[in-house]
Amino acid sequence: KAGVTQTPRYLIKTRGQQVTLSCSPISGHRSVSWYQQTPGQGLQFLFEYFSETQRNKGNFPGRFSGRQFSNSRSEMNVSTLELGDSALYLCASSLGDRSYGYTFGSGTRLTVV
Amino acid sequence: GESVGLHLPTLSVQEGDNSIINCAYSNSASDYFIWYKQESGKGPQFIIDIRSNMDKRQGQRVTVLLNKTVKHLSLQIAATQPGDSAVYFCAENMRSGYSTLTFGKGTMLLVSP
Repeated sequence: KAGVTQTPRYLIKTRGQQVTLSCSPISGHRSVSWYQQTPGQGLQFLFEYFSETQRNKGNFPGRFSGRQFSNSRSEMNVSTLELGDSALYLCASSLGDRSYGYTFGSGTRLTVV
Repeated sequence: GESVGLHLPTLSVQEGDNSIINCAYSNSASDYFIWYKQESGKGPQFIIDIRSNMDKRQGQRVTVLLNKTVKHLSLQIAATQPGDSAVYFCAENMRSGYSTLTFGKGTMLLVSP
């Protein structure tokens, strides 16, 4: 079966711009979680969406937002980009019903200049 | 690809050795634990998981040990191969019913031929 697909793979943006990242989960998975990975902070949870509803949110400013569509595809948006937002953004999909099994995509590498 | 982390603890072993990677988890309410392997430029890849009602689980060449008393996990890799070189993360999930993982800082495993 197809894995988790994240697009684009690489992005370069300027400070102050906004960006939208996309994640297509494994077919049948209803939960999509987003993580930010940086060398200094490691992997940090951003938010989780399940059946189009945000179910949990990490400790990130309101500039970070997301949504999930009826087909379970998810997007995350970062507005007013800062240099510190440069990171690898990963999404993980799962069934979301505590049957567990989290599969990660390859990530989107965002560079803010 | 870019490094997933700077100044990570590093374990250097020879090909054929057994490797043990340790992780201290943070939350006594966590009931599900996963080990992930991450190669440069890729997303985390599932290795093995364990639930809190177990203290040991074996997979192919890998074993995870869980000590809930001291909140400690270990990953043992038998007959380590150069292809095992990567960063290894432990992750924990709490009994909240949500698909949120809290990751450890990671350990870099370097396997010399």
